[in-house]
Amino acid sequence: GNSVTQMEGPVTLSEEAFLTINCTYTATGYPSLFWYVQYPGEGLQLLLKATKADDKGSNKGFEATYRKETTSFHLEKGSVQVSDSAVYFCALSRGYSTLTFGKGTMLLVSP
Amino acid sequence: GAVVSQHPSWVICKSGTSVKIECRSLDFQATTMFWYRQFPKQSLMLMATSNEGSKATYEQGVEKDKFLINHASLTLSTLTVTSAHPEDSSFYICSAGRGTSGSTDTQYFGPGTRLTVL
Repeated sequence: GNSVTQMEGPVTLSEEAFLTINCTYTATGYPSLFWYVQYPGEGLQLLLKATKADDKGSNKGFEATYRKETTSFHLEKGSVQVSDSAVYFCALSRGYSTLTFGKGTMLLVSP
Repeated sequence: GAVVSQHPSWVICKSGTSVKIECRSLDFQATTMFWYRQFPKQSLMLMATSNEGSKATYEQGVEKDKFLINHASLTLSTLTVTSAHPEDSSFYICSAGRGTSGSTDTQYFGPGTRLTVL
């Protein structure tokens, strides 16, 4: 079946540090891949997505590249801010409208 | 735009009682709504998909008679946990899809409801 594996958190960084959150997936066919972010007390928000191999999704300084050969979609940001503190979920779509999520990775950024 | 609300945000109930959770799309019409369940430090698990005016489609292993879903209008879906037991305690999250096709990148998520069954 389809599954998503994320690195466990929390990830603790100082402001302006480089961020990587690893995500690998198992899926049949060619899924679309997503990163969602959940800020405290709020719903999940779509951060970025990629729909085919070698696509790079980017938004708000975050990037992730769809790597089919390594079945990965790692999230990166060059310089994190305190306001980036949140829980990040990697997800894939199976079929037209169904999402499979990873467990989520909490990011804590200190000043 | 594209705000989804849930009510209540948290609820505590006694074992054996029923609890209703509402999910509303505040500024758009949602033809498809999704209900997820999340355990601590676990993934969001899709429970069911509901389309306005039709019966919900439940994921394998989800009890239809236990988790009643109603999607009576384009802006409201409800999840009723019937005869709740402590093992039903969890974080329930809904999402709403825009348009007739409910494509994945237009799912908008609510803030979730924390259910605790004593």
